[in-house]
Amino acid sequence: KAGVTQTPRYLIKTRGQQVTLSCSPISGHRSVSWYQQTPGQGLQFLFEYFSETQRNKGNFPGRFSGRQFSNSRSEMNVSTLELGDSALYLCASSSSTGQGPSYNEQFFGPGTRLTVL
Amino acid sequence: AQRVTQPEKLLSVFKGAPVELKCNYSYSGSPELFWYVQYSRQRLQLLLRHISRESIKGFTADLNKGETSFHLKKPFAQEEDSAMYYCALIETSGSRLTFGEGTQLTVNP
Repeated sequence: KAGVTQTPRYLIKTRGQQVTLSCSPISGHRSVSWYQQTPGQGLQFLFEYFSETQRNKGNFPGRFSGRQFSNSRSEMNVSTLELGDSALYLCASSSSTGQGPSYNEQFFGPGTRLTVL
Repeated sequence: AQRVTQPEKLLSVFKGAPVELKCNYSYSGSPELFWYVQYSRQRLQLLLRHISRESIKGFTADLNKGETSFHLKKPFAQEEDSAMYYCALIETSGSRLTFGEGTQLTVNP
């Protein structure tokens, strides 16, 4: 199976702009999670989508949003970009069924490196 | 709220020496713990999980609920083990991973 893919791989934006990142999960996976990775804060959970519904959300401001399509592909959007949004954004997919706790392995994509100037 | 702590940001050992990467957690429920690894220029990948009780690439990790720890151990480190290691916890109500800060392991020849 092809792994998780993320586009674009690199992005440079300026403060105040908005950005959309895309993630294609492993075929058959319906759960997609997003994480932000920075040197200072490490890996932090943004949100998880399952069957087009947001199932879980981390402690990020409303400027961070996401969605999932019927083919399980997911996008995340960051509006009104700030310098502190510069990070590596990782997407992960799993075969979670959405019922109860999920210990299914999460497979990570290569990430999108966002730089905000 | 759940929390994962990895007290060592950097760890350096010589090839053939034992290695232990420390991980402590706080969680009110019954946690499920994982170790993820990121080799240079590669994506983050699962190394092992508590529930499987398996040994991967010679690494093992035992959950100690009394000490709330999940340390990663290998008796004889190899140069190819050099990587960033993350301990992570998953809450029982969903699939949200909480990661520790990570430990950069360097195995010297």
